[in-house]
Amino acid sequence: GDSVTQTEGQVTVSESKSLIINCTYSATSIGYPNLFWYVRYPGEGLQLLLKVITAGQKGSSRGFEATYNKEATSFHLQKASVQESDSAVYYCALSDMGGRALIFGTGTTVSVSP
Amino acid sequence: DAGVTQTPRHEVAEKGQTIILKCEPVSGHNDLFWYRQTKIQGLELLSYFRSKSLMEDGGAFKDRFKAEMLNSSFSTLKIQPTEPKDSAVYLCASRSGTDYEQYFGPGTRLTVL
Repeated sequence: GDSVTQTEGQVTVSESKSLIINCTYSATSIGYPNLFWYVRYPGEGLQLLLKVITAGQKGSSRGFEATYNKEATSFHLQKASVQESDSAVYYCALSDMGGRALIFGTGTTVSVSP
Repeated sequence: DAGVTQTPRHEVAEKGQTIILKCEPVSGHNDLFWYRQTKIQGLELLSYFRSKSLMEDGGAFKDRFKAEMLNSSFSTLKIQPTEPKDSAVYLCASRSGTDYEQYFGPGTRLTVL
């Protein structure tokens, strides 16, 4: 079936250091997956961070980047220098071109320490 | 424009009770989704509506979970009867139908005793 696997649990990183959250997907019934990163900041609702719908392209937002690697079936999220305000829960997700419901990974909690 | 609204924000139920959660999507959005969020399973789809028609539902949730779109601006999720394993956060999301982004509500935290 279709699924998303991402870095599990909690990641702690010091401010100004780099961050990478791994995400790989399996899309056996989806020919052309669309890939997303959603984020939930403390006290806020889940919101879209970035999306990429074309293989080989890169999405970016708020200093984060993710490249859609179809060969590796990956969509890792990276930031070169994190800030305390990046502390949040990050979810990798996929959908299809028809726009059906999202399939989410289990989420990665990022804590940035000063 | 107002975002997705969900009520109540918190619900406590006894095992066996019937509960109804409510959702108002972003005005003008054609697509509406219900998800369940738990720490172990993450976010799982319960139901997906397009223009009030049920497009997709999570197979594992069919027996006690029923989502409806009473009109284009209001949806309910009924759980009957509730069980302790239903304790979770229930999220509603909407989408315009011409864009990929889903807009999520704040969620309803359900505790079943």
